[in-house]
Amino acid sequence: AQSVSQHNHHVILSEAASLELGCNYSYGGTVNLFWYVQYPGQHLQLLLKYFSGDPLVKGIKGFEAEFIKSKFSFNLRKPSVQWSDTAEYFCAVTARGDSNYQLIWGAGTKLIIKP
Amino acid sequence: DTAVSQTPKYLVTQMGNDKSIKCEQNLGHDTMYWYKQDSKKFLKIMFSYNNKELIINETVPNRFSPKSPDKAHLNLHINSLELGDSAVYFCASSSPSSGSYEQYFGPGTRLTVT
Repeated sequence: AQSVSQHNHHVILSEAASLELGCNYSYGGTVNLFWYVQYPGQHLQLLLKYFSGDPLVKGIKGFEAEFIKSKFSFNLRKPSVQWSDTAEYFCAVTARGDSNYQLIWGAGTKLIIKP
Repeated sequence: DTAVSQTPKYLVTQMGNDKSIKCEQNLGHDTMYWYKQDSKKFLKIMFSYNNKELIINETVPNRFSPKSPDKAHLNLHINSLELGDSAVYFCASSSPSSGSYEQYFGPGTRLTVT
């Protein structure tokens, strides 16, 4: 069965620090990859997505992610975090051609930015 | 203008009651989903409908019954509510048949069972 692993459950950083959140998935076929963000008390919003092409994708709010097929990874990065980035971050994967159109979700990473 | 809307936003009720949550999307998507998010923020897919047809029916108690009157609506009815049903329930929609797999989420319904 497909699965998504987010290695860090909690990350605490100071403002201006660099961020990298890990995401690995288990599926040998073609995938679509997503990062979502959930600010406190809010719903999930799409940060960025990868379908094909350039493995380095840029999203909103200065976030980017790199798809490394050989490592089955899709890590999220931001060079300099802000206090407003405090949120829960979710990685999700769907297998291309999955007739159920299901996203497989990671457990989430809670990011806390200290002002 | 809200893309995916849910009502109510908050729902406080007693054990044993029956309640419904409604979801509507105006994005023209053909697939809708219900998720449960527990206190640890873990997201669990419950149901998915594609063009009013049930395509995902995960292991949830049969007290939970989805209903999709049309492509733009997916409601969730819960019978005999239990304490463990307390969670935030999110509706989402997407249009995978057109190659768009990203899901758009509603604001959530925080259900508290006392």
